[in-house]
Amino acid sequence: EADIYQTPRYLVIGTGKKITLECSQTMGHDKMYWYQQDPGMELHLIHYSYGVNSTEKGDLSSESTVSRIRTEHFPLTLESARPSHTSQYLCASSERGDYNEQFFGPGTRLTVL
Amino acid sequence: AQSVTQLDSQVPVFEEAPVELRCNYSSSVSVYLFWYVQYPNQGLQLLLKYLSGSTLVKGINGFEAEFNKSQTSFHLRKPSVHISDTAEYFCAVSPMIKAAGNKLTFGGGTRVLVKP
Repeated sequence: EADIYQTPRYLVIGTGKKITLECSQTMGHDKMYWYQQDPGMELHLIHYSYGVNSTEKGDLSSESTVSRIRTEHFPLTLESARPSHTSQYLCASSERGDYNEQFFGPGTRLTVL
Repeated sequence: AQSVTQLDSQVPVFEEAPVELRCNYSSSVSVYLFWYVQYPNQGLQLLLKYLSGSTLVKGINGFEAEFNKSQTSFHLRKPSVHISDTAEYFCAVSPMIKAAGNKLTFGGGTRVLVKP
């Protein structure tokens, strides 16, 4: 079944640790996105990619980085986590084209102590 | 740039009653419009979208929305809610220009709590 996966679903870590949030999709979509969502708040786009080796920063500045080496994989990395990074991170993907629906993963809830 | 305002942060409603969630947007270009639903501890799921054509759009789970260009609104309605409709609802827009590349701008969300 075509889907979009995120791991881990929940992560609690200490300050200064390096972390990678995984996102994979099996739909063959060219476009992928990372959103940050604080509790009870709107989603903000922090990174997006239109294909392999393409990455761009989103509307909200973020200290995280992303890579797109394979079409299906779009991991997000924080080199040194801080309490201000505590949030929910949602990954999404969509087909190529002027407009196509974005499909969302279940999210990773990150807590940095 | 675009902005989206959801006028109600929380909407309590009794089961089988109607509900309307309000959404207004601002944009210098024409936009596509969407409503997404987020159930607890889950990602977002598309309820419906307006791309062009009829201004009344029907979506999943009995929801519908009406696009009003003059009022720059896209309000979501359901005539009779169920307990299972308890969730967070997000309105979003995407500009109708190639350079925007499907990027979505979201409103702050409306939490719907359906009471028995």
